[in-house]
Amino acid sequence: NAGVTQTPKFQVLKTGQSMTLQCAQDMNHNSMYWYRQDPGMGLRLIYYSASEGTTDKGEVPNGYNVSRLNKREFSLRLESAAPSQTSVYFCASRGEARTGAEQYFGPGTRLTVT
Amino acid sequence: AQTVTQSQPEMSVQEAETVTLSCTYDTSESDYYLFWYKQPPSRQMILVIRQEAYKQQNATENRFSVNFQKAAKSFSLKISDSQLGDAAMYFCAYRNTGFQKLVFGTGTRLLVSP
Repeated sequence: NAGVTQTPKFQVLKTGQSMTLQCAQDMNHNSMYWYRQDPGMGLRLIYYSASEGTTDKGEVPNGYNVSRLNKREFSLRLESAAPSQTSVYFCASRGEARTGAEQYFGPGTRLTVT
Repeated sequence: AQTVTQSQPEMSVQEAETVTLSCTYDTSESDYYLFWYKQPPSRQMILVIRQEAYKQQNATENRFSVNFQKAAKSFSLKISDSQLGDAAMYFCAYRNTGFQKLVFGTGTRLLVSP
């Protein structure tokens, strides 16, 4: 049981390049999330998916797209990377078995855009 | 919109002593969840403790306990018998019942000295 996994762990992009961050969970959770963490700002929600086939914008969605490929996988795409997207990205998932169940986080991806 | 405030950017404690981290939040909801997450240098977000607003009893997990004051909208974390491994960033987070989004504070860095 690996929990939530993310690839890659580190990435450096040039301005204008594109890339996809991958996330997978093996806990049979319905809900999945993408956050970004910037210094002094805590974590902010980019997009989330309440169930397979649905996605919704969070607090800071501009410049990102997501795909809920199946129940296990939720990817985050940067179509044209900008230096403002330099951040640490976390994927998380949450089960519905207990209302209020906590979110489980992946190890994060450190992205630098030059 | 809900907000979470952690007014202590950094706290220090000596091993074996007790430290309290502060968190206040703003919401008009009556039913919600509060969480404390720990983020060590590895970046992994680890759930420390959670509190359901409808429960009057303060949550406790081993050396970690909370002081939940609903009327004051305060949710502090007490760490007893501090250990070197407790050194980390600590984030307070809020979630409405049934709502997907976790709202995070900006974090408190806890330093533990021998």
